[in-house]
Amino acid sequence: GQNIDQPTEMTATEGAIVQINCTYQTSGFNGLFWYQQHAGEAPTFLSYNVLDGLEEKGRFSSFLSRSKGYSYLLLKELQMKDSASYLCAVRDPSGGYNKLIFGAGTRLAVHP
Amino acid sequence: DTGVSQNPRHKITKRGQNVTFRCDPISEHNRLYWYRQTLGQGPEFLTYFQNEAQLEKSRLLSDRFSAERPKGSFSTLEIQRTEQGDSAMYLCASIVTSGGGDTQYFGPGTRLTVL
Repeated sequence: GQNIDQPTEMTATEGAIVQINCTYQTSGFNGLFWYQQHAGEAPTFLSYNVLDGLEEKGRFSSFLSRSKGYSYLLLKELQMKDSASYLCAVRDPSGGYNKLIFGAGTRLAVHP
Repeated sequence: DTGVSQNPRHKITKRGQNVTFRCDPISEHNRLYWYRQTLGQGPEFLTYFQNEAQLEKSRLLSDRFSAERPKGSFSTLEIQRTEQGDSAMYLCASIVTSGGGDTQYFGPGTRLTVL
């Protein structure tokens, strides 16, 4: 079966660092994506990992361990505008068409 | 702006009515996905097109749902005899291929409310 787990909610303080974890069990794996979604809006792409290790993009970094079925998104120097849901998604190559399997998302609230 | 557009942005309808949504993907991109997202959940895959061919459909896509992409450009998703359980955000995504691999970029979505 397909299972992607993330914490439901997290809170953090402006200027701080927060780590959002994601574990997955899927029938296939062809990359892991993180998306940011503000309330009522569409998901926007943040990062992509297909090999083990850390990918850094400005204030955002994403880590992948394929052997552990684990990823995290690290957000540094938090800003109020980072309050949003963060979606972990695994690209499933079964059937050949690389659809995304999403977790339920982690709602992050950044406080002053 | 990802370049993927969807219309309408919001649709309110009465139970039993038919509705149709449109997605215009990034120009010249031949791969297009439809997803559905309910409150507090991540998007769920509905169907996939490569050019005009519908190559994969989820079990979520009951026989009341039909999707088309007649000329391999824009796509439509129709829901017949809507039910309250169809209330959701319907998202369209097209693929951008870069050095980081194929990435799905989402349109703004159509929020459907069935009364």
